[in-house]
Amino acid sequence: EVQLVESGGGLVQPGRSLKLSCAASGFTFSNYYMAWVRQAPKKGLEWVATISTSGSRTYYPDSVKGRFTISRDNAKSSLYLQMNSLKSEDTATYYCARLDYGGYAYFDYWGQGVMVTVSS
Amino acid sequence: DIVLTQSPVLAVSLGQRATISCRASQSVSISSINLMHWYQQKPGQQPKLLIYRASNLASGIPARFSGSGSGTDFTLTIDPVQADDIAAYYCQQSRESPNTFGAGTKLELK
Repeated sequence: EVQLVESGGGLVQPGRSLKLSCAASGFTFSNYYMAWVRQAPKKGLEWVATISTSGSRTYYPDSVKGRFTISRDNAKSSLYLQMNSLKSEDTATYYCARLDYGGYAYFDYWGQGVMVTVSS
Repeated sequence: DIVLTQSPVLAVSLGQRATISCRASQSVSISSINLMHWYQQKPGQQPKLLIYRASNLASGIPARFSGSGSGTDFTLTIDPVQADDIAAYYCQQSRESPNTFGAGTKLELK
């Protein structure tokens, strides 16, 4: 059974940093692109970052480019999101998600999410 | 960015058909491949993949869910609607980066 378990969320002040983790199990982690998707309270879904199987390629939308860094450790089957210079608009539930194997870039499994609140 | 437009709310009766639409600001199809996908999200839960590439049912999803469309216009159909289907439904395109989602359609009981 595919499982994705996020951790590391919490309350952080504007301008500070936070690192999220996602522990994956139930599949060969190193074979899949992985991603982070977030959802602000009572809002829709927003893609945040994607990483290739080896970690050599990363992709971000303009809203987080230069502030967020996605990384992975295939030996530990773990995905990470380093978030720097946090803003109030980064407040959201952050989901770890697996991208489909065929390269069509849909999210076939999601974690339960972790809440990040940016506030002074 | 490609903008996906969904109606905010759809009210249906149990046992009836629900048709949820998603319109893209530009085509999300490449040849015969439609890069539009659908997710269900119940309150307090993570999203779940329902339909990929416009019309393919994801693993474990009941056959009362179906998807159709191409180019800029796509539809998710639930027939018949059951009580367990009350949720928000999101479309997502992967034709261009950044991948974008629609704002979601809340399915409510009439």
